[in-house]
Amino acid sequence: AQSVSQHNHHVILSEAASLELGCNYSYGGTVNLFWYVQYPGQHLQLLLKYFSGDPLVKGIKGFEAEFIKSKFSFNLRKPSVQWSDTAEYFCAVNALGDMRFGAGTRLTVKP
Amino acid sequence: NAGVTQTPKFQVLKTGQSMTLQCAQDMNHEYMSWYRQDPGMGLRLIHYSVGAGITDQGEVPNGYNVSRSTTEDFPLRLLSAAPSQTSVYFCASKNPTSGRGNTGELFFGEGSRLTVL
Repeated sequence: AQSVSQHNHHVILSEAASLELGCNYSYGGTVNLFWYVQYPGQHLQLLLKYFSGDPLVKGIKGFEAEFIKSKFSFNLRKPSVQWSDTAEYFCAVNALGDMRFGAGTRLTVKP
Repeated sequence: NAGVTQTPKFQVLKTGQSMTLQCAQDMNHEYMSWYRQDPGMGLRLIHYSVGAGITDQGEVPNGYNVSRSTTEDFPLRLLSAAPSQTSVYFCASKNPTSGRGNTGELFFGEGSRLTVL
């Protein structure tokens, strides 16, 4: 079965710091990859997705992610975080028809 | 469009009671699914459906039943609630990843917070 691992459970950064959140998956075939964000008290919203083509994908709010097939990774990055980026971030993989999520990484940005 | 609508938003049950969480979508999505969200465990897939009349189990199906009689609706039933089912439940839908115009993006409902005493 496919699985998704997120390495960091809780990340604390100061505003303007750079962000990288790790995501690895276990499925060896063709995958579609996603990052979702959940702001406090809200439901999940799509940040960005990768289906094919350029492995560096750009999403909303200045986020980007790089798909590295050889490493089964899809890390999320942002050059300079803001206080409003405080949220929980979920990596997800769609490989066998259903969507599986990682455990999530809670990001706290200190003003 | 309303998108994905879940009801109720909050529910408190006693152990052994039954209830149904309702989910409806108005985007004509073929795929619908139910997740539960628990601290430190992310979202875990309970059941999913790739179309009317078709359902399948996800990662944590025990204690839950689903049916898909129409494209729009995908109710989740708890036949005998247990404290371990205390969680936040999310319904989500999407188009398949193949075909023209399909993004594969999951659209989520607002969530239903269930407490089982």
